[in-house]
Amino acid sequence: GDSVTQMEGPVTLSEEAFLTINCTYTATGYPSLFWYVQYPGEGLQLLLKATKADDKGSNKGFEATYRKETTSFHLEKGSVQVSDSAVYFCARTQGGSEKLVFGKGTKLTVNP
Amino acid sequence: DAGVIQSPRHEVTEMGQEVTLRCKPISGHDYLFWYRQTMMRGLELLIYFNNNVPIDDSGMPEDRFSAKMPNASFSTLKIQPSEPRDSAVYFCASSFGTSSEQYFGPGTRLTVT
Repeated sequence: GDSVTQMEGPVTLSEEAFLTINCTYTATGYPSLFWYVQYPGEGLQLLLKATKADDKGSNKGFEATYRKETTSFHLEKGSVQVSDSAVYFCARTQGGSEKLVFGKGTKLTVNP
Repeated sequence: DAGVIQSPRHEVTEMGQEVTLRCKPISGHDYLFWYRQTMMRGLELLIYFNNNVPIDDSGMPEDRFSAKMPNASFSTLKIQPSEPRDSAVYFCASSFGTSSEQYFGPGTRLTVT
């Protein structure tokens, strides 16, 4: 079935370091892909999305490109800040419905 | 817009008691989702509605759980009777049309002792 696999965390970086969080999805149908972020004690917030192959989603310095050939949607940021510390979830639409399938989440901690 | 509103934010109850969680979706959104989040199982979809009609409740764990959406601006998730293993954070989310962009509420942290 439809699924999403994210790199396991936790990930710990120093401020201004480069961030990559890997995400791959099952190649069924033509899903839309999303990254959500969850700050401590809060609900998930949409960070960025891409709806078709080769689309690049971007927001707040984060980017992810929909790669159909590698079924990937890796999240990147060139220079992380302490305020980026959160849990990041990759998600895809599930064919034929409005459901989203989420990865298990990757916890990021950025130290000053 | 105020976003998705959930109440209460925190609930502590004893095993066997009835628990009711409430959600007000974003005005104009026609889809509503209930999720449960735990450390062990991650984020699980319990049920979702379209235009107040339940579409998929395959994620509802058992008969102790029930959800209703009497109108476009209100939904409830009820657990009766509650058990300690129901302790989790419950999120409500809403979306509009086929955009699939879901907007989450702040969650209700449920503790069953």
